Amino acid sequence: EIVLTQSPGTLSLSPGERATLSCRASQSVGSDYLAWYQQKPGQAPRLLISGASSGATGIPDRFSGSGSGTDFTLTISRLEPEDFAVYYCQQYDAFPWTFGPGTKVEIK
Amino acid sequence: EVQLLESGGGLVQPGGSLRLSCAASGFTFGSYAMSWVRQAPGKGLEWVSYIRGGGARETYADSVKGRFTLSRDNSRNTLYLQMNSLRAEDTAVYYCAKSSSSWGNDAFDLWGQGTMVTVSS
Repeated sequence: EIVLTQSPGTLSLSPGERATLSCRASQSVGSDYLAWYQQKPGQAPRLLISGASSGATGIPDRFSGSGSGTDFTLTISRLEPEDFAVYYCQQYDAFPWTFGPGTKVEIK
Repeated sequence: EVQLLESGGGLVQPGGSLRLSCAASGFTFGSYAMSWVRQAPGKGLEWVSYIRGGGARETYADSVKGRFTLSRDNSRNTLYLQMNSLRAEDTAVYYCAKSSSSWGNDAFDLWGQGTMVTVSS
């Protein structure tokens, strides 16, 4: 099983600041089958990034993904008020598909 | 409108059974693989099971293997999850989620709003 670790657990930032979220895999994620999701309280997750770096339909370009192998990053270039949420990475390379524990981005 | 709508959640005693449904609309349901993902209260996301668009292959997390059965009826645009021998640790919001292709490795590009399952005596 591929175990995903996300850091930091909580990120306290102000609107307009840059957010950098990390996702590390216990083994290489083949073909960069790594996705990022955003979840707000009481809502379902929403796909932001797939294939490690491809933005999903309708996602603002302030969200970007990078990385390969075992180290991946989600960057939010300038935080908007609606971006404060929990972010999960997920690998869909090998079953069981697994999620990281999440990073909460909160208002400082 | 493209959407997924889950139903069938509720309160069930340990050892009991429940069947969840996920009704799809706004896209060609049979052309896409589907999964169930659950989230225990205050916890993270856990993938539960997967089925190809044609329904030929199901895959399960070890935590539910042998107890849960995933199926789909493409003529009714509906995904099902039969849950037997339920345990307290199965308590969660259950989301159905659509993959972006019929089979293979794809992220979940559409999620339902979720249905709550509570296993308690």
